[in-house]
Amino acid sequence: NAGVTQTPKFQVLKTGQSMTLQCAQDMNHNSMYWYRQDPGMGLRLIYYSASEGTTDKGEVPNGYNVSRLNKREFSLRLESAAPSQTSVYFCASSEGRQVNTEAFFGQGTRLTVV
Amino acid sequence: QQQVKQSPQSLIVQKGGISIINCAYENTAFDYFPWYQQFPGKGPALLIAIRPDVSEKKEGRFTISFNKSAKQFSLHIMDSQPGDSATYFCAASKNGDYKLSFGAGTTVTVRA
Repeated sequence: NAGVTQTPKFQVLKTGQSMTLQCAQDMNHNSMYWYRQDPGMGLRLIYYSASEGTTDKGEVPNGYNVSRLNKREFSLRLESAAPSQTSVYFCASSEGRQVNTEAFFGQGTRLTVV
Repeated sequence: QQQVKQSPQSLIVQKGGISIINCAYENTAFDYFPWYQQFPGKGPALLIAIRPDVSEKKEGRFTISFNKSAKQFSLHIMDSQPGDSATYFCAASKNGDYKLSFGAGTTVTVRA
């Protein structure tokens, strides 16, 4: 049971470089999310996709873009990485047809921007 | 600013003791209050959740207490075990909304 799979698990970028974080879920969920986790800040929503074909901004979208490639996959792109984007990134999914259902998280991507 | 305020930031409890984590919110439209548990190097996982039509929900050694008038809810871990050492996040969401607002997290350490 893979659940939510994120790649890569670790990444070091130089300031100004770009990269895409990949996320895939095998639970046939409609909704997918990207969060960042920083010490003392909890989990903050970057972008989400309520259903295939839609994306919306969360609390902290600046500096990021997303693509809902299909029902399974939701990618997060950093166009020009900045040290402030050093964080642990989590992808999550939920069933979505009924609101307030359990969110399942991936194992995270630890990103360092130097 | 965070819509859900969580305290304390960390706590240490002896094995067999009670861990208590508190959360407060302002948005009266919130109507779903889950708690997530996160072990080091892992993603958060749902532990227990409550809706405001009940004041308490218990699952094993974990209990959520909910006070709608005070806009507060708390997690109690009874008979704490070393395996409970983790970071706990409270969260809230509104009816009709897919997004969760998380608290800052509490790191619980249970000493044997």
